[in-house]
Amino acid sequence: DGGITQSPKYLFRKEGQNVTLSCEQNLNHDAMYWYRQDPGQGLRLIYYSQIVNDFQKGDIAEGYSVSREKKESFPLTVTSAQKNPTAFYLCAVQRGFGVNTEAFFGQGTRLTVV
Amino acid sequence: DAKTTQPNSMESNEEEPVHLPCNHSTISGTDYIHWYRQLPSQGPEYVIHGLTSNVNNRMASLAIAEDRKSSTLILHRATLRDAAVYYCILRDYNNAGNMLTFGGGTRLMVKP
Repeated sequence: DGGITQSPKYLFRKEGQNVTLSCEQNLNHDAMYWYRQDPGQGLRLIYYSQIVNDFQKGDIAEGYSVSREKKESFPLTVTSAQKNPTAFYLCAVQRGFGVNTEAFFGQGTRLTVV
Repeated sequence: DAKTTQPNSMESNEEEPVHLPCNHSTISGTDYIHWYRQLPSQGPEYVIHGLTSNVNNRMASLAIAEDRKSSTLILHRATLRDAAVYYCILRDYNNAGNMLTFGGGTRLMVKP
């Protein structure tokens, strides 16, 4: 973290509801990413954005939507179309587009469908 | 994308060195080797990365085989705080998205 804020830390959602997870950064980094992590598993990429007003689907984008209206913000909406949304969601940022740089992760949002 | 293979888990004693292996036999010339670790209920944190030469930083060392088909993350003196899942990741210079692709990682357990 250290400049990446994810909120809320815990979120409960009823089935059929949309819910939006917040990711804000003050690192002035261009690239932002959303990952999903299921228990005992690695992270899977949902969406990523390299620049304002542009974003790309990752490996598991179905049932999710994003926006990138500001450089510092990349909210993720979990829609009712996402069949199994209960998971740990992580936002990451990276300074540039090269692979010779490190990514910084937020502390995550744990979403539970009740 | 080139993939990595890591042991599911490893154990170490506190204050002893730890060598975490990673195999990446299909690595390409443009792949950087990155290591991240994830403590329980937290987001991953960057540890180290390299291309061809061995690398050292305040957290760890990265030893890369001459043929680049394997690498080893070295924690010189394990502490209880080093207990985490360690991910070895290849990042392709030509990958437009520059995203990190995570595998299962190695769960390191440190015994006092």
